[in-house]
Amino acid sequence: AQKVTQAQTEISVVEKEDVTLDCVYETRDTTYYLFWYKQPPSGELVFLIRRNSFDEQNEISGRYSWNFQKSTSSFNFTITASQVVDSAVYFCALSEGRNNNDMRFGAGTRLTVKP
Amino acid sequence: ETGVTQSPTHLIKTRGQQVTLRCSSQSGHNTVSWYQQALGQGPQFIFQYYREEENGRGNFPPRFSGLQFPNYSSELNVNALELDDSALYLCASSPGVQASSYEQYFGPGTRLTVT
Repeated sequence: AQKVTQAQTEISVVEKEDVTLDCVYETRDTTYYLFWYKQPPSGELVFLIRRNSFDEQNEISGRYSWNFQKSTSSFNFTITASQVVDSAVYFCALSEGRNNNDMRFGAGTRLTVKP
Repeated sequence: ETGVTQSPTHLIKTRGQQVTLRCSSQSGHNTVSWYQQALGQGPQFIFQYYREEENGRGNFPPRFSGLQFPNYSSELNVNALELDDSALYLCASSPGVQASSYEQYFGPGTRLTVT
């Protein structure tokens, strides 16, 4: 069965600090997709990134970067020079197979960035 | 381009009652997925509809049912409400079911409280 673990329940940093959100997953499939979503206080989940199981290249998008390591079943998310607007709950999710149904989410990490 | 919308925003029901939640998918999207998000937890997949047919179901009892209409909008129905059904119900739409190509776009959710 697929499973996603986000061990960090809450993280608090001061603005401009770098912060890494951890995600560990379990799956028996060789084809799967990993995602990160941001959930601001408004409640709407915002898509950040999708990564497939065959592409272990790290990705950088502005202040955001993602480190995918199949050897440790991890897909960690780093925010560089954090800003107050980054405060939200961040979810890591896993979708097995080729369809995007039955996406499994972790419990989320609440990030608070203080000015 | 109009995003995913859900109605109502908030709802209070009594145990044993029935409820219908509605979702309008983003223009051009033929796939709708429903999730239940209990307080402090990640979203849990309920089911997905693709071109008016159910395309996958999570671990939810039959009293959770759904519909998708020809315009691809969708309803989630819950019968015999229980206190544990209190949660944020999220709807997500996508242009198709392939995880490799289509991310899900989430609506703001409906907050259901069962008393």
